[in-house]
Amino acid sequence: AQSVTQLDSQVPVFEEAPVELRCNYSSSVSVYLFWYVQYPNQGLQLLLKYLSGSTLVKGINGFEAEFNKSQTSFHLRKPSVHISDTAEYFCAVSDRDSGAGSYQLTFGKGTKLSVIP
Amino acid sequence: EAQVTQNPRYLITVTGKKLTVTCSQNMNHEYMSWYRQDPGLGLRQIYYSMNVEVTDKGDVPEGYKVSRKEKRNFPLILESPSPNQTSLYFCASSSYLEVETQYFGPGTRLLVL
Repeated sequence: AQSVTQLDSQVPVFEEAPVELRCNYSSSVSVYLFWYVQYPNQGLQLLLKYLSGSTLVKGINGFEAEFNKSQTSFHLRKPSVHISDTAEYFCAVSDRDSGAGSYQLTFGKGTKLSVIP
Repeated sequence: EAQVTQNPRYLITVTGKKLTVTCSQNMNHEYMSWYRQDPGLGLRQIYYSMNVEVTDKGDVPEGYKVSRKEKRNFPLILESPSPNQTSLYFCASSSYLEVETQYFGPGTRLLVL
């Protein structure tokens, strides 16, 4: 079974500064990788996903993430954050070869991003 | 509007009183799933369903039941709730053609006294 580690539970950052949220997953032959965002009192929204192809993935709201197979990482970045980016961010992984009869998405414990004006 | 709906959004109950949380999607998705979210633990999958009448356990199925009699609905049943089931619950759905991209409902906050 997959596991996901989000190394920082909380990340404070000043407005307009860059930010990186770290995510590592347990090794597997092939995986799908995701970042979800949860704004206060809301459900989860897909930010971006890596399925195959280019290792640099661009998502909504100016976020991007880079898939690094050798380091089993999928870190999320934004060059300049805004107050509205304050939210909790979840990294998630699934096995590409999980089989047609089953599917499971494994989440990390989340990183709370606080943007300070 | 494509969406996943959950009811109720908030629920306070007592230990042992059976309850059902409904989940419905209007996107004709085959795959549906239930998660619980707890502080410091992230989201953990409870049950999932690949299609009508096909369900399977996730990581934390104990104390929960599900059914999938219709494609659009996937209710979560707590036969005898206990305080350790106090949590925030999310339902999600996705198409079989793009099963890895899940759409989440708004969440149900449950308190078991």
